Amino acid sequence: DGGITQSPKYLFRKEGQNVTLSCEQNLNHDAMYWYRQDPGQGLRLIYYSQIVNDFQKGDIAEGYSVSREKKESFPLTVTSAQKNPTAFYLCASSIGGAGLSETQYFGPGTRLLVL
Amino acid sequence: SQQGEEDPQALSIQEGENATMNCSYKTSINNLQWYRQNSGRGLVHLILIRSNEREKHSGRLRVTLDTSKKSSSLLITASRAADTASYFCATAKGAQKLVFGQGTRLTINP
Repeated sequence: DGGITQSPKYLFRKEGQNVTLSCEQNLNHDAMYWYRQDPGQGLRLIYYSQIVNDFQKGDIAEGYSVSREKKESFPLTVTSAQKNPTAFYLCASSIGGAGLSETQYFGPGTRLLVL
Repeated sequence: SQQGEEDPQALSIQEGENATMNCSYKTSINNLQWYRQNSGRGLVHLILIRSNEREKHSGRLRVTLDTSKKSSSLLITASRAADTASYFCATAKGAQKLVFGQGTRLTINP
């Protein structure tokens, strides 16, 4: 089964805690993305990566960090510096190689809640 | 900003009717894409239309693009209950990253 998986489906964070959201793809895509979606809103780009060991900040990177050590994996860490982390987080990938404007394929999302 | 803005924000129709959603944007684009999102799920790509195309079809979906008006429309014909979802347009300028609009929430009533 080809696709993008995200885990966990729900994640609870305590005050001052860092949490990591997992994103894995087996589509052999070069580019991967992390988006944040607030209720009734569109998607806002947090970070993106066009190739292994390289990533760039998106529009709302403050309080988040990522790594891209493997082509298949692009984990997102929500740090304690992110004061309003409650949101729905979506990971996506695209073929890459021709810029970032191609079709994106999305995972099922992780809902992060603050205790 | 090249962000697409969908209109209307919400649309409620009877099953079997056609649904039309619009997307407007501000700058020139390379392509425009439409995605569907069922409640609490990830987005699913529907159609990509390039700036040199005017219309594309996929099953019951028809997308038009008017670059002179900087607008696109998504038509869903013969709607079904399963079409209930939020629909987003996303625009791309050159090779730059996609920018998503706020979405149209479509409800199909039985």
